[in-house]
Amino acid sequence: DVKVTQSSRYLVKRTGEKVFLECVQDMDHENMFWYRQDPGLGLRLIYFSYDVKMKEKGDIPEGYSVSREKKERFSLILESASTNQTSMYLCASSLVDREGTEAFFGQGTRLTVV
Amino acid sequence: GENVEQHPSTLSVQEGDSAVIKCTYSDSASNYFPWYKQELGKGPQLIIDIRSNVGEKKDQRIAVTLNKTAKHFSLHITETQPEDSAVYFCAASAGRRALTFGSGTRLQVQP
Repeated sequence: DVKVTQSSRYLVKRTGEKVFLECVQDMDHENMFWYRQDPGLGLRLIYFSYDVKMKEKGDIPEGYSVSREKKERFSLILESASTNQTSMYLCASSLVDREGTEAFFGQGTRLTVV
Repeated sequence: GENVEQHPSTLSVQEGDSAVIKCTYSDSASNYFPWYKQELGKGPQLIIDIRSNVGEKKDQRIAVTLNKTAKHFSLHITETQPEDSAVYFCAASAGRRALTFGSGTRLQVQP
């Protein structure tokens, strides 16, 4: 059974803290993604990675960075958390296919910044 | 970049009725159009997808149609059941690019 696992379901952090969200996939997928989900806005792409140590900015990268040192692990970093980063964060992975392919999602991390 | 618009934002139907959710996309290069279902407390899960060389695809009570000329695609659920209640997202991508999602539709099926 394919699996994308996010390290935390719920997190509460203080403004200004450095926050790490971890994601691991066991499907040997090349692509990994971080999305942010907010009511009425759908899922918005923060960053994605198509290979180890490779990354590309998505639509809303400001205030975030990522790290992919191993193929199975993709980390999202909030350098200095702010209240407007309170949201649901979803990690996903997929194979590389020029015809498009299914993305598998983790269960999400609900982050609250106070 | 790609822009995907989704309507309606909420949809309430009686059990047994049909439900239709519509999406439009902007990038004519998009060639992959999946639909995801998200249940409470879970991540989105793929329910059906369609590629640009196909006009319609069906899987039991779920069907998707694609009109490339008009740049829109739709999800059709027939004989709705209470367990169909969830949030549904459409998405689009071109080649190897990441998926761009619509804003979501909350479907409620009334028993």
